Amino acid sequence: DQQVKQNSPSLSVQEGRISILNCDYTNSMFDYFLWYKKYPAEGPTFLISISSIKDKNEDGRFTVFLNKSAKHLSLHIVPSQPGDSAVYFCAASPGLTDSWGKLQFGAGTQVVVTP
Amino acid sequence: GAVVSQHPSRVICKSGTSVKIECRSLDFQATTMFWYRQFPKQSLMLMATSNEGSKATYEQGVEKDKFLINHASLTLSTLTVTSAHPEDSSFYICSARKNHYGRGAHYEQYFGPGTRLTVT
Repeated sequence: DQQVKQNSPSLSVQEGRISILNCDYTNSMFDYFLWYKKYPAEGPTFLISISSIKDKNEDGRFTVFLNKSAKHLSLHIVPSQPGDSAVYFCAASPGLTDSWGKLQFGAGTQVVVTP
Repeated sequence: GAVVSQHPSRVICKSGTSVKIECRSLDFQATTMFWYRQFPKQSLMLMATSNEGSKATYEQGVEKDKFLINHASLTLSTLTVTSAHPEDSSFYICSARKNHYGRGAHYEQYFGPGTRLTVT
């Protein structure tokens, strides 16, 4: 049962424009969300996270928005750069419980930034 | 950020042998580490949670006798694939959790570069 869903397997965006990646989740116990970037044959690289007490977190070119009522989050990358081309994973975790940190990953979205 | 290393980066072994993969947090102590597995073009699947000084907890469907986990220190967890078979060939990735307690408690989780296991 996929508790974290990324319904867009791929996204193509022009350099300089905004990339918007979407993620939906079904488990209401999730209250910590993370975005990772991954290149082939490498481990994921942490980008940005957000806890459920917030609805927005910004770090440089990356902004994550959380809509708890819709169980939806999105990652905005602006401006997009060619080096942003990678697979982006959304991950979610329950809160301060024994399961803290046990991440459930979405299927990933392949982003291609074209010149 | 923080650095997590894995060794080896790739290993080829014969069917029936055992392989050990090491995961180290280089610049922080991690009481909790996680082991994931990724099949080609698929997402990361959590296999087990490695707790320093206690037994690992395994996700449903993961054989604990096949995937032995030892978290002997605050900076090292090992995954041993015992009696490996071709179907165990995969990309294994570990992560280490860096906790921040107190008000606004949160954590960061850093991943190693992964280990490509090929069983022939």
